[in-house]
Amino acid sequence: QKEVEQDPGPLSVPEGAIVSLNCTYSNSAFQYFMWYRQYSRKGPELLMYTYSSGNKEDGRFTAQVDKSSKYISLFIRDSQPSDSATYLCAMSPGSFQGAQKLVFGQGTRLTINP
Amino acid sequence: ETGVTQSPTHLIKTRGQQVTLRCSSQSGHNTVSWYQQALGQGPQFIFQYYREEENGRGNFPPRFSGLQFPNYSSELNVNALELDDSALYLCASTSGPYGYTFGSGTRLTVV
Repeated sequence: QKEVEQDPGPLSVPEGAIVSLNCTYSNSAFQYFMWYRQYSRKGPELLMYTYSSGNKEDGRFTAQVDKSSKYISLFIRDSQPSDSATYLCAMSPGSFQGAQKLVFGQGTRLTINP
Repeated sequence: ETGVTQSPTHLIKTRGQQVTLRCSSQSGHNTVSWYQQALGQGPQFIFQYYREEENGRGNFPPRFSGLQFPNYSSELNVNALELDDSALYLCASTSGPYGYTFGSGTRLTVV
């Protein structure tokens, strides 16, 4: 079993739709949770990060973490064609100055259709 | 200069050869990590360097090795290349538990 599970999609929605992306994980030591966006032929770009459980909103993006269920989500409101990319969840136990290793999901390929 | 810079962008090598990939960290970042991303997969942690010392390693064999220099730039070396080493190699730098900045990667093809 992988430490982090993410549905690879692909996911295709019309412009303006609300998009929900999700990951589940098995390691209860994870404390830092991140969402990255990766365009084709580019490196991952940090979108959102949260510490422990709770919600965080930034513009059209909302990240949610439910540690009791070991489940994290990213919501995109009013989706735009420019949001078309692969979205990667990542998490870490947060031992900075030690092995600060990010564990990634497989990535979900998202297409927003005009 | 901001951002993480990796070189080269693309590379083709023959099985059994050795390769060195390079990374310039974002200014102010003293920690650098390397990741391998196979096609259609998420990045996999190779190792991390903090102040020129390796302080964490993923499930990769010893033929994957690295260096971090006093200016926090870094190298990833892979010996005895195998076909399965074909992937996008990503360098990421940070100065804290968040805010990992990734480079655009080096696409390595082993033939």
